[in-house]
Amino acid sequence: AQSVSQHNHHVILSEAASLELGCNYSYGGTVNLFWYVQYPGQHLQLLLKYFSGDPLVKGIKGFEAEFIKSKFSFNLRKPSVQWSDTAEYFCAVTGGSYIPTFGRGTSLIVHP
Amino acid sequence: DTAVSQTPKYLVTQMGNDKSIKCEQNLGHDTMYWYKQDSKKFLKIMFSYNNKELIINETVPNRFSPKSPDKAHLNLHINSLELGDSAVYFCASRHTENTEAFFGQGTRLTVV
Repeated sequence: AQSVSQHNHHVILSEAASLELGCNYSYGGTVNLFWYVQYPGQHLQLLLKYFSGDPLVKGIKGFEAEFIKSKFSFNLRKPSVQWSDTAEYFCAVTGGSYIPTFGRGTSLIVHP
Repeated sequence: DTAVSQTPKYLVTQMGNDKSIKCEQNLGHDTMYWYKQDSKKFLKIMFSYNNKELIINETVPNRFSPKSPDKAHLNLHINSLELGDSAVYFCASRHTENTEAFFGQGTRLTVV
């Protein structure tokens, strides 16, 4: 069965700081990888996704993620965060079952 | 137009009642899901359904049942509601294996 681990549960940053959120997955076969964002009181929205090809994926709002197969990782990065990036971030994976499995989420607070 | 819509957005009910949450998607997707998000923001898959099979998370009590009148709808029925059922329930849909899931706005269920 597939699983996802997000190492950072709570992250607090000041505006303009750089961000990196860790995500590791467990699955032996081909995977699709996703990062979703959930702003307070809202639903999940896709930030970016990886299916194949270039392991460096660029998403919306200046976010990017790098798939490192040897490390089973898909870390999310942003060079300079804004107050509006305050949200919950979820890493997700689909493997053989094609049911998206989510990590426990990382709460990001950005101070102005 | 909202791609994945859920109703109601808020639901407050007493223990022991039976309630339903409706979900409709207008994306032409062939797979739909129900997730439960607990107070710690953890997203747990409850059901995955397409026109071929229903996959049930074995940890979901049988008081919960999905009903799909057609490909565009997957409603969630809950019998004999308990306090521990209080959570946000998200419906999602997906077209094929190699695409992302789209989420509804969520239904905040409070059992009193």
